[in-house]
Amino acid sequence: AQTVTQSQPEMSVQEAETVTLSCTYDTSESDYYLFWYKQPPSRQMILVIRQEAYKQQNATENRFSVNFQKAAKSFSLKISDSQLGDAAMYFCAYDYGGSQGNLIFGKGTKLSVKP
Amino acid sequence: DAGVTQSPTHLIKTRGQQVTLRCSPKSGHDTVSWYQQALGQGPQFIFQYYEEEERQRGNFPDRFSGHQFPNYSSELNVNALLLGDSALYLCASSLGSRIYEQYFGPGTRLTVT
Repeated sequence: AQTVTQSQPEMSVQEAETVTLSCTYDTSESDYYLFWYKQPPSRQMILVIRQEAYKQQNATENRFSVNFQKAAKSFSLKISDSQLGDAAMYFCAYDYGGSQGNLIFGKGTKLSVKP
Repeated sequence: DAGVTQSPTHLIKTRGQQVTLRCSPKSGHDTVSWYQQALGQGPQFIFQYYEEEERQRGNFPDRFSGHQFPNYSSELNVNALLLGDSALYLCASSLGSRIYEQYFGPGTRLTVT
């Protein structure tokens, strides 16, 4: 069975600094998607970044980038120049390319940003 | 362009009662997925609707049922509520099988007393 593990329940970062959130997953599939979602106190799940497993190049979206290590089944999120608005729960999620939408989420990492 | 909307925002029910939650997908989307997010946990997939039929189902009992209407909106019904059904219920929409472009609604907070 596919699983997603986030080993850091809480993380803290100073404003303007860089922080990395960890995620590992387990799958026997070769074609899949990986996602990082942000959930602020407003509860709405917001897509931060996604990675397609067949692409070797790591995805980037402005201050957010990933380190995708397919062989190690690792998918970490790096947030550069952290801002107060980055404070939220961050969830790593996996989707088997053929599952058509059955996202499997980790338990989340709560990120605090200190001014 | 309206995003995914859900109603109601909050709901309080008593054990044994039945509840219906509603979701309107983002404009242009035809697929709706429902997730349950217990406190302190990540969301868990309940089921997905496409073309008014349940296309996929997660590991949830038959007390959880759903429906999709011709306008692609969807309902989640939960019968015989248990205390453990207290959670945030999230709806997500997408276009067909393009799940990599799935958008979430703000959720409905259900409390069962």
